[in-house]
Amino acid sequence: QVQLVESGGGLVKPGGSLRLSCAASGFTFSDHYMNWIRQAPGKGLEWLSYISGSGHDINYVDSVKGRFTISRDNAKNSLYLQMNSLRAEDTAVYYCTRSARLAGDWGQGAQVTVSS
Amino acid sequence: DVVVTQSPLSLPATLGQPATISCRSSQGLVYSNGHIYLNWFQQRPGQSPRRLIYEISNRDAGVPDRFSGSGSGTVFTLRISRVEAEDVGVYYCMQGTHWPWTFGQGTKVEIE
Repeated sequence: QVQLVESGGGLVKPGGSLRLSCAASGFTFSDHYMNWIRQAPGKGLEWLSYISGSGHDINYVDSVKGRFTISRDNAKNSLYLQMNSLRAEDTAVYYCTRSARLAGDWGQGAQVTVSS
Repeated sequence: DVVVTQSPLSLPATLGQPATISCRSSQGLVYSNGHIYLNWFQQRPGQSPRRLIYEISNRDAGVPDRFSGSGSGTVFTLRISRVEAEDVGVYYCMQGTHWPWTFGQGTKVEIE
């Protein structure tokens, strides 16, 4: 069955950087768009970015454009989110999800806390 | 950005009774391929979201048939025919037609 396992979360100071990873299994990773979605404490859901199976089609929501970079390594069945210039408002649980537009499968989430 | 508005935001439900959540989008959701990417998600307390319904009315595998989705244009509905205790949680609608794809604010379902 499909499994998505995020890692790399933690506590970081404002202005710092963090790299999230998502290990995928149970499906042909390179065939699928992948996404990052986040949920701030007690808040709703925000779709941050997607990447095509080849890695050539990428998009970002304005709130993270220029600061976050999505990437993938199909040989390792892994998705990444490089987060730079982190702000307090980036504090959230970050979810890795499969398939563009539909988000049919979700990981358990990685907690990112930005605080001095 | 497309604004997705849910109502109500809080839904006290009665066991065995129906419950309905509405979702309105600020724009039509027909994509260039003719598909309408309006999806529904359930988030139980302490868990990741789980998709229930995709493209308005298609139930995901393993989702009980008491859940159904309907709608057209800019107005969509998630219906629970008979609420069970395990249905407690927050329900989100989401549009995947216009980037950035956006979620509604969520509807918290509790048993009264």
